[in-house]
Amino acid sequence: GEEVAQTPKHLVRGEGQKAKLYCAPIKGHSYVFWYQQVLKNEFKFLISFQNENVFDETGMPKERFSAKCLPNSPCSLEIQATKLEDSAVYFCASTPVGWGDTEAFFGQGTRLTVV
Amino acid sequence: AQSVTQPDIHITVSEGASLELRCNYSYGATPYLFWYVQSPGQGLQLLLKYFSGDTLVQGIKGFEAEFKRSQSSFNLRKPSVHWSDAAEYFCAVGGGGGADGLTFGKGTHLIIQP
Repeated sequence: GEEVAQTPKHLVRGEGQKAKLYCAPIKGHSYVFWYQQVLKNEFKFLISFQNENVFDETGMPKERFSAKCLPNSPCSLEIQATKLEDSAVYFCASTPVGWGDTEAFFGQGTRLTVV
Repeated sequence: AQSVTQPDIHITVSEGASLELRCNYSYGATPYLFWYVQSPGQGLQLLLKYFSGDTLVQGIKGFEAEFKRSQSSFNLRKPSVHWSDAAEYFCAVGGGGGADGLTFGKGTHLIIQP
């Protein structure tokens, strides 16, 4: 499709529960990025993929966060044992060839609320 | 490390007046610069980008931005704002190195007065 599709739109989890978010990049886009936006403020870069390979995961809190982009499946971002501070909107973006030559398209985001 | 500063957290402008949103960046090499807009409850929409070439770039919705290397700035402008421009505006910098993450500023909240 011609848009980045993120599901679900909203997700509520009790503290300690698992949360799994999905992102279907635009068809033909090789690069996928995940960002976390807390309190409608700055976007924190989490991880990027080039096809199914992790390219940059410097922003990932590795103890509880993991992500995958497998062939023919939506990409996923999973948080084990969620904490209150994980409450945020998680955005996914995709580009065909990386940032250098083209625009990144962002999804509408998944709002995660940890209670 | 790269960084982006948007000095104004909030800006209030009267409808029909001109607008300038400030963005300063820190980056060790030639930066790739972006302005995004986020309306309430929405994702990010790209307004414009600078990669190289003409330092004055035109974007959608009547916005433009000027890259000034000497000032490390990439300010966003619009000659006449509309009430529908009320939103959060984010400046971002990237290295164009494939799949490096963008670094975003903290955003400027634009309020339009009737």
